[in-house]
Amino acid sequence: DGGITQSPKYLFRKEGQNVTLSCEQNLNHDAMYWYRQDPGQGLRLIYYSQIVNDFQKGDIAEGYSVSREKKESFPLTVTSAQKNPTAFYLCASSSRTSDYLTDTQYFGPGTRLTVL
Amino acid sequence: QQQVKQSPQSLIVQKGGISIINCAYENTAFDYFPWYQQFPGKGPALLIAIRPDVSEKKEGRFTISFNKSAKQFSLHIMDSQPGDSATYFCASPGQAGTALIFGKGTTLSVSS
Repeated sequence: DGGITQSPKYLFRKEGQNVTLSCEQNLNHDAMYWYRQDPGQGLRLIYYSQIVNDFQKGDIAEGYSVSREKKESFPLTVTSAQKNPTAFYLCASSSRTSDYLTDTQYFGPGTRLTVL
Repeated sequence: QQQVKQSPQSLIVQKGGISIINCAYENTAFDYFPWYQQFPGKGPALLIAIRPDVSEKKEGRFTISFNKSAKQFSLHIMDSQPGDSATYFCASPGQAGTALIFGKGTTLSVSS
């Protein structure tokens, strides 16, 4: 089955710890994205990557870091610098048909992070 | 910062009624307007999208209407069913080389 997998589904973190959320896709998509979802806030873009070894900050990148060493993988690290990390995190991917990342974005099932 | 304004924030519709959700976008260089549907605890899934060389696209009970001059597009759900109860997000393209911009979502409840 083709798709996007995120792990773990639930993650608990103590204050001051870094945690890494996994995102893997087997859709052969060039572009990958990380979003944060809070109640009433919609989907806010954290980072996105159009190709391997390249990524750009989104609207709320502070306190987060990413890497894109493989086409299939785009892990997100929530650092201790992120002051309010409790949220639902969504990974997505899309193919690139042009300079516009406007092809359909496919989302993973999400990871719910809770800071204790 | 480019935005997409989505309304209403929440909507309650009787079973069999019509649900209407509206979005307004800012200037885009490329016309592609998708709607996503999200159930609690799940990731959003593409519901329907329009690349407007047409002003309307219909798939089953779901219709997108697009008004380019007004920079607005809307989702109409005909014969709404309890299974349609979910959060709906509209989106529009960002600047060249950037990601889609999402609205803040509309929570739809269809009462039986």
